[in-house]
Amino acid sequence: EAGVTQSPTHLIKTRGQQATLRCSPISGHTSVYWYQQALGLGLQFLLWYDEGEERNRGNFPPRFSGRQFPNYSSELNVNALELEDSALYLCASSYNRGRGNQPQHFGDGTRLSIL
Amino acid sequence: GESVGLHLPTLSVQEGDNSIINCAYSNSASDYFIWYKQESGKGPQFIIDIRSNMDKRQGQRVTVLLNKTVKHLSLQIAATQPGDSAVYFCAENWRDSSYKLIFGSGTRLLVRP
Repeated sequence: EAGVTQSPTHLIKTRGQQATLRCSPISGHTSVYWYQQALGLGLQFLLWYDEGEERNRGNFPPRFSGRQFPNYSSELNVNALELEDSALYLCASSYNRGRGNQPQHFGDGTRLSIL
Repeated sequence: GESVGLHLPTLSVQEGDNSIINCAYSNSASDYFIWYKQESGKGPQFIIDIRSNMDKRQGQRVTVLLNKTVKHLSLQIAATQPGDSAVYFCAENWRDSSYKLIFGSGTRLLVRP
């Protein structure tokens, strides 16, 4: 079974630009989560999508947004990039429908560097 | 953000010994907990989970213990191997109708040959 896949692996942008990160969940998983792992700050929850809808977001400004497509893949968009947005962005997926909490399985992330 | 600031304590163990990694979680209303292993350059890898109606769960070479009285979680690794060297995170889910995970600060495990 293929795991969660993310693209690109690395992304280099300059301040003020926009970045798009992509995630394909494990087959059969309907929930996608985005987390930010900045150096020295651990993993912080960004967004949760399920069945195409945004269900919850963390304490991040509105320039962090995303969407989930009918095939359950997801995009994370970051507008007006700032130096502090440099981090590893991790996507996770799970299948929760009627089952309560289930393990979230992670991809290997996209390393976003802002110059 | 909601995660704890990272200072990354380190646990160094001899190959073959047992390892115990501890985690203090933040919310007494949390009802689901997961341990993850993260190797350099990779995403977190699921190890084991436990729900709040249990106090112990065993997997292959790993055991998770949950003490809700003191809000403490531990991961025990039996017969630690060099491949176990990584950063280990505990994560909790707050019972707020969201499945988002709140991560602890992580512990680096170093296995000495």
